[in-house]
Amino acid sequence: ILNVEQSPQSLHVQEGDSTNFTCSFPSSNFYALHWYRWETAKSPEALFVMTLNGDEKKKGRISATLNTKEGYSYLYIKGSQPEDSATYLCAFAHDKIIFGKGTRLHILP
Amino acid sequence: EAQVTQNPRYLITVTGKKLTVTCSQNMNHEYMSWYRQDPGLGLRQIYYSMNVEVTDKGDVPEGYKVSRKEKRNFPLILESPSPNQTSLYFCASSPRPGAEGYTFGSGTRLTVV
Repeated sequence: ILNVEQSPQSLHVQEGDSTNFTCSFPSSNFYALHWYRWETAKSPEALFVMTLNGDEKKKGRISATLNTKEGYSYLYIKGSQPEDSATYLCAFAHDKIIFGKGTRLHILP
Repeated sequence: EAQVTQNPRYLITVTGKKLTVTCSQNMNHEYMSWYRQDPGLGLRQIYYSMNVEVTDKGDVPEGYKVSRKEKRNFPLILESPSPNQTSLYFCASSPRPGAEGYTFGSGTRLTVV
């Protein structure tokens, strides 16, 4: 059974601080790695799709890196703001797409 | 506006009463999929469709049916709902699964009593 692990499960961060969290996935049969942002009472929205080892993508204060050889991706948020509070999901794509359980980020004012 | 539209948003029903959750996308995406979200379990795939008239089981297909008669629509059918199908359901579509991200519908909160 292929597993996608995200850590930590939950994270509290002071407003203005930077933070990061991890997605671990199988290093074989890799096709793509997705990151989604999921706000409470809404639906997940795609942040990044990453396909190449060493990929680094950025969207405003959020960025992500990818290491396909060792099977992990990091999501970084610089200078956290209250609107960053959400669950961040990663999904590993090979012949199917498998989601992790997410990291729940709470930004403290 | 490009979107995936799911209906209804909320539904309470009784055990055994057939129901359909509709899903429609206006982006001409070939790939569509249904997921359920349960606490502590993450998003689990129920069924997916690579194109019209092509559907396949996901990880948790038992108790569900789908159809893909047209590209834009991918309804989820519960022929005889049971309480263990109480969940939050999401429909999603993508032009190229894996290579491009999903667009998700707004979700359907289903309660079976």
